[in-house]
Amino acid sequence: DTGVSQDPRHKITKRGQNVTFRCDPISEHNRLYWYRQTLGQGPEFLTYFQNEAQLEKSRLLSDRFSAERPKGSFSTLEIQRTEQGDSAMYLCASSLVTVYGYTFGSGTRLTVV
Amino acid sequence: GQQLNQSPQSMFIQEGEDVSMNCTSSSIFNTWLWYKQEPGEGPVLLIALYKAGELTSNGRLTAQFGITRKDSFLNISASIPSDVGIYFCAGQFLNNAGNMLTFGGGTRLMVKP
Repeated sequence: DTGVSQDPRHKITKRGQNVTFRCDPISEHNRLYWYRQTLGQGPEFLTYFQNEAQLEKSRLLSDRFSAERPKGSFSTLEIQRTEQGDSAMYLCASSLVTVYGYTFGSGTRLTVV
Repeated sequence: GQQLNQSPQSMFIQEGEDVSMNCTSSSIFNTWLWYKQEPGEGPVLLIALYKAGELTSNGRLTAQFGITRKDSFLNISASIPSDVGIYFCAGQFLNNAGNMLTFGGGTRLMVKP
């Protein structure tokens, strides 16, 4: 297993466009998390899934953000009508329910121009 | 969003020196974690602390979970150039939003050979 995989690594988009990022967790991990990291800051929690159920989404930054994990394996994070303030690193992480601390992926760096 | 208070923000030291950084919070956590992040990558878990007062080592790294459960420190002994990176503390309150992590703002470590 090569760890948590995120795609793409970098994305440049024009303001107003929609973007979608993919995360493939470690295969036996049933929890999957999305975080956002802006320059010079620590990661900030957005949402998480246990298997296919999204159990916390109140911290998604606005209704332009949505996430799915349709079969309890990979997940996607979509941002609609992107704004310049959405420019950040989007990190995915996974874990087992009984393990504290996660394994993070390398992130997707989004630049909105 | 809420972040932990991490200090110092940056350190520039000579190879071979010891390093100490700490993290404080107004909230109690069940678990404290220390991560290291290198440019363009996601955070990598270094040490996890599960009990107030616990002192844990991982090679040249030593971390402690404060008695009040509101603070933690990380020491790096005999620093080497590959220690360069950003070190983040993270607090975890079990069963809160799937064991979400609250991160500090990071300590940027630079090591002069």
